[in-house]
Amino acid sequence: NAGVTQTPKFQVLKTGQSMTLQCAQDMNHEYMSWYRQDPGMGLRLIHYSVGAGITDQGEVPNGYNVSRSTTEDFPLRLLSAAPSQTSVYFCASSWTGDRYEQYFGPGTRLTVT
Amino acid sequence: AQTVTQSQPEMSVQEAETVTLSCTYDTSENNYYLFWYKQPPSRQMILVIRQEAYKQQNATENRFSVNFQKAAKSFSLKISDSQLGDTAMYFCAFMGGASGTYKYIFGTGTRLKVLA
Repeated sequence: NAGVTQTPKFQVLKTGQSMTLQCAQDMNHEYMSWYRQDPGMGLRLIHYSVGAGITDQGEVPNGYNVSRSTTEDFPLRLLSAAPSQTSVYFCASSWTGDRYEQYFGPGTRLTVT
Repeated sequence: AQTVTQSQPEMSVQEAETVTLSCTYDTSENNYYLFWYKQPPSRQMILVIRQEAYKQQNATENRFSVNFQKAAKSFSLKISDSQLGDTAMYFCAFMGGASGTYKYIFGTGTRLKVLA
């Protein structure tokens, strides 16, 4: 199993550009989520999904969109990038059968100039 | 709303010594899960230990153990026989599912440095 994969690993955007961060998992996990990590702030939940076709907002959803058309994929879209979205982004997945342990991807470092 | 507080931004410990990282949380739920995750310089998030709130017995994983005080809403992590490889950021996390939301809330982290 590849686990949770994220692409790209690094990205630089200009203010106003849009892009999609990709996340995929091959463990058939029903639960997937996106976090951003900023210095001194820990991990903050952006959006999450409890299954295909079901998504919900987390703590800091503004400026981001998600969709979950398959169990495996959970892309995160930045609609119009802003410098405040400079961060490290983590995708994670889990399932209830493993008592909710989250498996994390390697992260994407995004810089918005 | 649930909150998770880690009041120690940085800590250090001598190799082979024991260190305890603190975590408190606030929730009105009765059934939930608590976790400690480790993030080494590689940035990869790794589960260290987890505790189900309905279990009174404290969880243990080799050199790692927790002190779970449900009434006090406290969940500290004890690392025994500290090793250089334990140097990392440690995050405490809460997951409550009573309303079916399955939202994880993370603390701000404690940076632990193990000294040779």
